Amino acid sequence: DAGITQSPRYKITETGRQVTLMCHQTWSHSYMFWYRQDLGHGLRLIYYSAAADITDKGEVPDGYVVSRSKTENFPLTLESATRSQTSVYFCASTLTSRQETQYFGPGTRLLVL
Amino acid sequence: ILNVEQSPQSLHVQEGDSTNFTCSFPSSNFYALHWYRWETAKSPEALFVMTLNGDEKKKGRISATLNTKEGYSYLYIKGSQPEDSATYLCAFFDNYGQNFVFGPGTRLSVLP
Repeated sequence: DAGITQSPRYKITETGRQVTLMCHQTWSHSYMFWYRQDLGHGLRLIYYSAAADITDKGEVPDGYVVSRSKTENFPLTLESATRSQTSVYFCASTLTSRQETQYFGPGTRLLVL
Repeated sequence: ILNVEQSPQSLHVQEGDSTNFTCSFPSSNFYALHWYRWETAKSPEALFVMTLNGDEKKKGRISATLNTKEGYSYLYIKGSQPEDSATYLCAFFDNYGQNFVFGPGTRLSVLP
């Protein structure tokens, strides 16, 4: 029972490089979310997806790209990493709607040098 | 942009003390409020989902109340234990869940 997993768990990259963070869930949940953890802000929503091929922007989408070709996967790509994108990234999912309990992955700690 | 505040930002209590903290949110267009518990180096875990004014939820020593008319929710911990040390997040949903935002959290440290 894997639930929701993220990979890699830790990543170091350099400014300007493209980085992809993976999120995979085995529950067949419809909704998936990407958050970043920011000091003083808690969790801020980057993007979310209601179903395969349906994505929408959250509060802080600039510099990020998402896709959802399969229900179980929701990769987040930093097109050209910047130091301000150093953060811990959490993926989450809900069964059928945004307002249900969210189940979080273990997080990916990203350092941009 | 929805404004959700939590207070205090952090607090330290002794083992056995009871404590409470607050989540403040807009009082209009309320749909739901979630509470999550977030231990260091782990991921957030859901505590409560609250939808009705006057709701009271309880899980063990932790309970929560909701006042949608005045826009606040209280989280109470009775007889705090060191394992209660965590950040407690609230998340506010409005407009039938169309918009939602997490508060900045309250970091609780329980000293043995």
